[in-house]
Amino acid sequence: DAGVTQSPTHLIKTRGQQVTLRCSPKSGHDTVSWYQQALGQGPQFIFQYYEEEERQRGNFPDRFSGHQFPNYSSELNVNALLLGDSALYLCASSSDRDRGSSSRAGELFFGEGSRLTVL
Amino acid sequence: AQSVTQLGSHVSVSEGALVLLRCNYSSSVPPYLFWYVQYPNQGLQLLLKYTTGATLVKGINGFEAEFKKSETSFHLTKPSAHMSDAAEYFCAVSASKIIFGSGTRLSIRP
Repeated sequence: DAGVTQSPTHLIKTRGQQVTLRCSPKSGHDTVSWYQQALGQGPQFIFQYYEEEERQRGNFPDRFSGHQFPNYSSELNVNALLLGDSALYLCASSSDRDRGSSSRAGELFFGEGSRLTVL
Repeated sequence: AQSVTQLGSHVSVSEGALVLLRCNYSSSVPPYLFWYVQYPNQGLQLLLKYTTGATLVKGINGFEAEFKKSETSFHLTKPSAHMSDAAEYFCAVSASKIIFGSGTRLSIRP
């Protein structure tokens, strides 16, 4: 049973460029969340996708956008890259069924991340 | 709003000693709480979680945590540290999304 897979694992971009990161969720999961983890920090929530729609968004500018496909895979796009965008980008999948009636997010399963360096 | 505070960015213990990593949370609803571990250059792996029921939760690798509502705490413990426990540990609280603390780096001295 494949877990969460992310690509690419490493990439280097220059300021002003655009980047697309990809994520395939764990089998049976329908919800994808994206996090940014700067060096020495905890993961920061970017946004979450469910049923091909952005369900929630964290405090990130519009330069950060995403998409979810019918097979539940997802992309994270970042435009006009800044030096401060250098980070490990983590994709996490979960099942909406785990939210239950409480509507609280259930357990996340993480990929190994895409490390982005902006020069 | 939900938030998590991890006390101590770095904890160092001797091999075989007790491990105690501290986490306090704030939540406007009864929380779901998690501890995740991150090894170098890897993603996060769930250690244990509290949703409802028993307040003492046992996880993988001998770790456990106790939910104390009165103290708004969810501290992580392990009776005897092993060299392989060296990693970054993150406490997290769940509402509509999961919010992570800033992490505690655990070092193990031989």
